[in-house]
Amino acid sequence: NAGVTQTPKFRILKIGQSMTLQCTQDMNHNYMYWYRQDPGMGLKLIYYSVGAGITDKGEVPNGYNVSRSTTEDFPLRLELAAPSQTSVYFCASSYSTLSGEQYFGPGTRLTVT
Amino acid sequence: KQEVTQIPAALSVPEGENLVLNCSFTDSAIYNLQWFRQDPGKGLTSLLLIQSSQREQTSGRLNASLDKSSGRSTLYIAASQPGDSATYLCAVCQGGSEKLVFGKGTKLTVNP
Repeated sequence: NAGVTQTPKFRILKIGQSMTLQCTQDMNHNYMYWYRQDPGMGLKLIYYSVGAGITDKGEVPNGYNVSRSTTEDFPLRLELAAPSQTSVYFCASSYSTLSGEQYFGPGTRLTVT
Repeated sequence: KQEVTQIPAALSVPEGENLVLNCSFTDSAIYNLQWFRQDPGKGLTSLLLIQSSQREQTSGRLNASLDKSSGRSTLYIAASQPGDSATYLCAVCQGGSEKLVFGKGTKLTVNP
């Protein structure tokens, strides 16, 4: 199993541009999550999904959108990028939050200038 | 609102020392608590998961304890090695939620 994979690894965006961060898991997990991590800070939840077709907002959803059309994929869309979205983005998955471990991807380092 | 605090923010120890990392949380209504390791520029690796009904979990040289009533967890690392150098993050799954709330982490350096 590859686990959780994310693409791209690095990206530089200009203010106002848009992009999609890709996340795929091959563990047949129902639950998937997007976090951002800023320097010296813990992770903050952006969006999460408890199954295909179901998504919900986390702590910091503004400026982002998600979709979950399949169990495997959970892309994160940034519209009109702003410097405040400069961060490292992590995708994670789990069988269940209530009893299961979360498995993380390697992250995407995004810079908006 | 659940808040998770990790003290100290950074810790430097000589190789071979036993050490304890601390995690505290403000709301004791949790489903579970998870300890993660993060190496520089990398993702998070799950170390131990403790369910709310459990008091501790062990994996090799690592032992994590949970005292839900006092809102505390500790991660004990025995006979530390330079390869243990990393940032250790604690996260709680809040009751009635599908979400993890993370602390800011403790950066551990083990000196040879």
